[in-house]
Amino acid sequence: QSALTQPRSVSGSPGQSVTISCTGTSSDVGGYDYVSWYQQQPGKAPKLMIYDVSKRPSGVPNRFSGSKSGNTASLTISGLQAEDEADYYCCSYAGNYTLVFGGGTKVTVL
Amino acid sequence: QLQLQESGPGLVKPSETLSLTCTVSGGSITSYYWGWIRQPPGKGLEWIGSIYYTGSTYYNPSLKSRVTVSVDTSKNQFSLRLNSVTAADTAVYYCARHPSMTTVTLSYWGQGTQVTVSS
Repeated sequence: QSALTQPRSVSGSPGQSVTISCTGTSSDVGGYDYVSWYQQQPGKAPKLMIYDVSKRPSGVPNRFSGSKSGNTASLTISGLQAEDEADYYCCSYAGNYTLVFGGGTKVTVL
Repeated sequence: QLQLQESGPGLVKPSETLSLTCTVSGGSITSYYWGWIRQPPGKGLEWIGSIYYTGSTYYNPSLKSRVTVSVDTSKNQFSLRLNSVTAADTAVYYCARHPSMTTVTLSYWGQGTQVTVSS
C-alpha cells in the first residue's frame, strides 16, 4: 500500500484557479469512487473539503470542486483566495478495508 | 456538535508501548467507524487503523503487527496501542470519525496530540 502521489506545491494569484492532482492505481483511486480531500492549516487538524470524488460538505465554499479520471483524482480551487493557502491531502479507499492518503500539496497564494 | 479529544502520554520511550484514547462527546460512538491517523513532523498523513463500534477492526498493513485499536462504548471512547515504538513513530496522532470502511469521509477530527518517542 503506497501513498498516493501529489505535487509538492502549487501556487496561484488571487482570483485564479489551481488544480491539485492525486495519482494512484487501479487498486485505489481508479477502482472506487471513494476519494476525499482535506485542507490543513498550520497547527490544525485536517478539514474535509470534498468526499466521494466530487461532493461538498455543507459549509465548504463552492469554489472547491473535485473530479476523477482513471487513476487520477483532482481538486480544483476556483477564484483562489488568501485564506485557501494551506496543505491539501487526498485520501482514497484502497480495498481490503484500508485507506491511503496522498503525500500532501502546499498551496501558495501569490 | 460532535467533538473528539485525544489524550495520553506525550513522551514514550523507545521499545515501549504508545497508548492513546479518543473521547467522543456530543454524540454516540455507535453506528460509526472510528479511526486513528498520524502525521510525523513536516510530513503527510498516514492512516493507522479503524474500528467499528461493535469491535471489528481494520489496520494499515504496514503497521498491523504492532497496532491494536479497541472501543469502550460505555465510556464513548476508543483507544490505540502501538507497541515496540521507535523514533519513527514520533508524530501528531489524530482520531476521526467515518461512516463506513469504504467511504473515506473523515468528517470529524480531534485536535491531535503530539507523541514523541525518546529516551
